[in-house]
Amino acid sequence: IAGITQAPTSQILAAGRRMTLRCTQDMRHNAMYWYRQDLGLGLRLIHYSNTAGTTGKGEVPDGYSVSRANTDDFPLTLASAVPSQTSVYFCASSDNTGELFFGEGSRLTVL
Amino acid sequence: GQNIDQPTEMTATEGAIVQINCTYQTSGFNGLFWYQQHAGEAPTFLSYNVLDGLEEKGRFSSFLSRSKGYSYLLLKELQMKDSASYLCAVMDSNYQLIWGAGTKLIIKP
Repeated sequence: IAGITQAPTSQILAAGRRMTLRCTQDMRHNAMYWYRQDLGLGLRLIHYSNTAGTTGKGEVPDGYSVSRANTDDFPLTLASAVPSQTSVYFCASSDNTGELFFGEGSRLTVL
Repeated sequence: GQNIDQPTEMTATEGAIVQINCTYQTSGFNGLFWYQQHAGEAPTFLSYNVLDGLEEKGRFSSFLSRSKGYSYLLLKELQMKDSASYLCAVMDSNYQLIWGAGTKLIIKP
């Protein structure tokens, strides 16, 4: 089934450790996004990429980095995890209509 | 600043009709989206409005008034499976999505 795949689905991480969340799509969408979702708050954009080779900062980029080496992959890296980065992370891609297609999410707990 | 407001939680009865409101203040407007999110799952697209008026899609309808900065999602013939959070999002002048915190809809038998 075509769509977006995220990995891992869940992870517990010690503070200070480095972590990469993987995201792969097979819909050939140019635009990809990383959001975090916290209870009581709307989805907040971390980083985005409008096309392969380019990235941009969203609303809450600090402590996170991304790369977009090709159309399909858009990994999110936490260089040194902190407890405030405990959240559910969603990767998404969009077609020309602006509609977002989301992955199933990665639940990250930083202790 | 940019702001999307929607009720935190609503309760409705199976078979009934419910209206979920969304008001927005954004820098520019390039469309309004509604997404459905079941607990523990990813959001899925429901509707898109860019012009004023009502868009109907089966049991779900979405309305937009750009002059009032207002939208609503109307769900008819409610089913238990409609229990979910409903997210309102506005695309601003930079084509970035601004998200509301979501409305948790509880359906009772």
